[in-house]
Formats: sequence, C-alpha cells, structure tokens
Amino acid sequence: TQLLEQSPQFLSIQEGENLTVYCNSSSVFSSLQWYRQEPGEGPVLLVTVVTGGEVKKLKRLTFQFGDARKDSSLHITAAQPGDTGLYLCAGALLSSRGSSNTGKLIFGQGTTLQVKP
Amino acid sequence: ETGVTQTPRHLVMGMTNKKSLKCEQHLGHNAMYWYKQSAKKPLELMFVYNFKEQTENNSVPSRFSPECPNSSHLFLHLHTLQPEDSALYLCASSQVGVGLGGREQYFGPGTRLTVT
Repeated sequence: TQLLEQSPQFLSIQEGENLTVYCNSSSVFSSLQWYRQEPGEGPVLLVTVVTGGEVKKLKRLTFQFGDARKDSSLHITAAQPGDTGLYLCAGALLSSRGSSNTGKLIFGQGTTLQVKP
Repeated sequence: ETGVTQTPRHLVMGMTNKKSLKCEQHLGHNAMYWYKQSAKKPLELMFVYNFKEQTENNSVPSRFSPECPNSSHLFLHLHTLQPEDSALYLCASSQVGVGLGGREQYFGPGTRLTVT
C-alpha cells in the first residue's frame, strides 16, 4: 500500500515556467520533508514542515503543509535547468508509535523534473 | 569528513562473491538506515538501527546482512546476490527520540551496485 502519492510522476518544462508537485495521503503526518536527488547521488534535504498550514520558502521554492497534515505541495517559480532532478516527499506517521521510536519515514514514489533551457 | 559517507561508490560483483558496503555518519545521530533504490521504484527501506540495535527488518532476504558496531558506522554484508539486487544502496542517519517523531534523515551519496 502506497501511503504517500506524489503527482505528477514526470514533468518536463521549459526554463522560466512555474510548476507544482503534490504529495497526498489519507494518513496524518507529524512532519513532512522534501528532498531533491540528482542522478547517482543521495537525496538532499530541502525542507521540513511540521505545523498544519505551514508555508516555507527557499528562494524560488515554496513548500506548503496541508491544514490537516495529510498533504503537501512544492511550487517552483521560474524554473531553471539547475532545478532538474528527482523530488521526493517523505512523512513521519503521527499515529505510529514505531515511527516515533525509529524515525522511520514513508517516502513517495518521486517526481522527476526536467527543465529545458 | 562531514555528513554521511559511503564506500565504495561503485561496486560490480558476481553472484558468488562476498562484499560489504560501509556507511559512516559524522552528525552525532542515534539512528541509521539502509535503503534500496531501483529504477522507477520508490525508496525501499531495508533496515533500521537505533542506538546500534536493529529495530526494523523489512522482509529483506538473508543474502543481505547488516551490521552496526556503533552509532556512527553501518555495514551491509552481501553474499550470493542475484542480478535483480542491482540498485543504488543508500545509507541515511537521523536523530530520533520521544517527542521528536520522524525527524529529517540525511543521506549518503549511495553505492551503485551491479550484480553480474
């Protein structure tokens, strides 16, 4: 069972365009992270959101955590070729005792973004 | 060294070989993880270690054997692997505890494993 659904799975756009990636679940998360991964490398943490409705900005990237802490979005303004990569969302289940003890995260399947110059 | 390091970065091995992957974290974290990442598949959690104790084994075949001698080092011993085990193996670490929930994980660069 995939607890975190990411969409779209693949996105190819021109430089300068805006885009939004979504991460949805029926489960409630105590926190949610977004990562970016380049080919042949490990995921790199971009941001963590903790509070329902929270919005965080990282230069041209805007991250939002849903009010009910079940979903999140990543919006990129004026995408650049350097934004190309695999974007992963990952959440810690609120109701999972195991999650609190082990730090286990549930990962989405990822969104592959290609920004063409 | 900073962050999470993994060696080797690339490994090619035959199905009868025995090899080990190494991970070291320099972040003072108390939890470490092994993940498998195959093409077009979500990250698959393999093992979790908290304070050197294995707390999770996600039905991983016994040909993968983890070892955590201390909270900074994690190994994955490999033997008699199959071609379908070819993947990027990622190590991660985090700081966990009561009230912290699932906090951020920091990943190493991965080992690209090819089984021939």
